[in-house]
Amino acid sequence: DGGITQSPKYLFRKEGQNVTLSCEQNLNHDAMYWYRQDPGQGLRLIYYSQIVNDFQKGDIAEGYSVSREKKESFPLTVTSAQKNPTAFYLCASSQQDYSNQPQHFGDGTRLSIL
Amino acid sequence: AQTVTQSQPEMSVQEAETVTLSCTYDTSESDYYLFWYKQPPSRQMILVIRQEAYKQQNATENRFSVNFQKAAKSFSLKISDSQLGDAAMYFCAYGLAGAQKLVFGQGTRLTINP
Repeated sequence: DGGITQSPKYLFRKEGQNVTLSCEQNLNHDAMYWYRQDPGQGLRLIYYSQIVNDFQKGDIAEGYSVSREKKESFPLTVTSAQKNPTAFYLCASSQQDYSNQPQHFGDGTRLSIL
Repeated sequence: AQTVTQSQPEMSVQEAETVTLSCTYDTSESDYYLFWYKQPPSRQMILVIRQEAYKQQNATENRFSVNFQKAAKSFSLKISDSQLGDAAMYFCAYGLAGAQKLVFGQGTRLTINP
């Protein structure tokens, strides 16, 4: 079945540590996205990528970094500069013109501070 | 900047009855798309319904339909014959045509009472 796989499901970060969240899709989608979801709030865009080797900052990119070396993979690194990383992180993908094609989402990764 | 507002943090409905979730948005654009996504306790986001702004006809998907009022910038979701499986967070989202990101509302938690 085609879909988006996020791993791990739960992740714990120590102070000063960088952690990387994995996102893989086999839908052959061009565009991929990372969102952050805090309790009682909607999704906020962290980064997005329209094609391989290209990505753009979203609304809350500070303290995060991404790479897009392969079409199917879009990992997100939460750096030590992100002072409040505890949240639920969702990865999504879509065809190039996302606004005409729905975004497909993974199951999410919950990140907590130790 | 575009914004999406869901004024009902929580709603509840009796099983088999009808419920309407509200969504308003702010934009000066004329070509855009609107979406309703469902997030059940499993946390995976699922597309419920999509509406193109240039279409006057309201979108319908089985028991789900929308009331799209472009002039009023309103996009409500009606769920008919509510089922226990409809219990979830529902997010309204706006996407500008040609842009590469969605703007989400803060969500409405829907409870179905048996």
